[in-house]
Amino acid sequence: DTAVSQTPKYLVTQMGNDKSIKCEQNLGHDTMYWYKQDSKKFLKIMFSYNNKELIINETVPNRFSPKSPDKAHLNLHINSLELGDSAVYFCASSPSDRAGGFKFFGPGTRLTVL
Amino acid sequence: GESVGLHLPTLSVQEGDNSIINCAYSNSASDYFIWYKQESGKGPQFIIDIRSNMDKRQGQRVTVLLNKTVKHLSLQIAATQPGDSAVYFCAENSGGSNYKLTFGKGTLLTVNP
Repeated sequence: DTAVSQTPKYLVTQMGNDKSIKCEQNLGHDTMYWYKQDSKKFLKIMFSYNNKELIINETVPNRFSPKSPDKAHLNLHINSLELGDSAVYFCASSPSDRAGGFKFFGPGTRLTVL
Repeated sequence: GESVGLHLPTLSVQEGDNSIINCAYSNSASDYFIWYKQESGKGPQFIIDIRSNMDKRQGQRVTVLLNKTVKHLSLQIAATQPGDSAVYFCAENSGGSNYKLTFGKGTLLTVNP
């Protein structure tokens, strides 16, 4: 009955590798997001999709490529991982009529790049 | 502990006291504000929200105050409990954006039993 789920919860990998993080929401929301939280707990939006269409791309390096196969899923693929990519990545969703605010967050994926 | 090296603003209170967490937001065009609570190892969790046509909103044990003149938001927690220990974030809808939330720095609240 988890509202927003992410896999994996932990991801440890070497520099230069390519990895993916998956997100699914069962809330019937139209809008999904990826946020990055750095070591100082600062949360910053990366991408937003509404009904599978990209609507926000916050100057994220093009090594990061989100993909939304349907409105319940938003995956994040990262190519050529760098040390600075180490962070906790949160997926979130919201209904379109309240997309400006109220978001449900997933449990996060802690990515460590060695 | 988790707070080492974080350099977050911190607030330490005794159980049963009231807590006030403050936040300055950046965009005078923002018209929707939210407080989130993030416990260790978890994602942010919605606490309470307020629209810019209000200056106060109350929930269960929590109150949010909005001062648009000075772009200031506060979260008051009554009778703070150990379970309230977490990092608290304010967020604004980035100048009225329909989709983008901008988060503040976060405040670490520690409740001592």
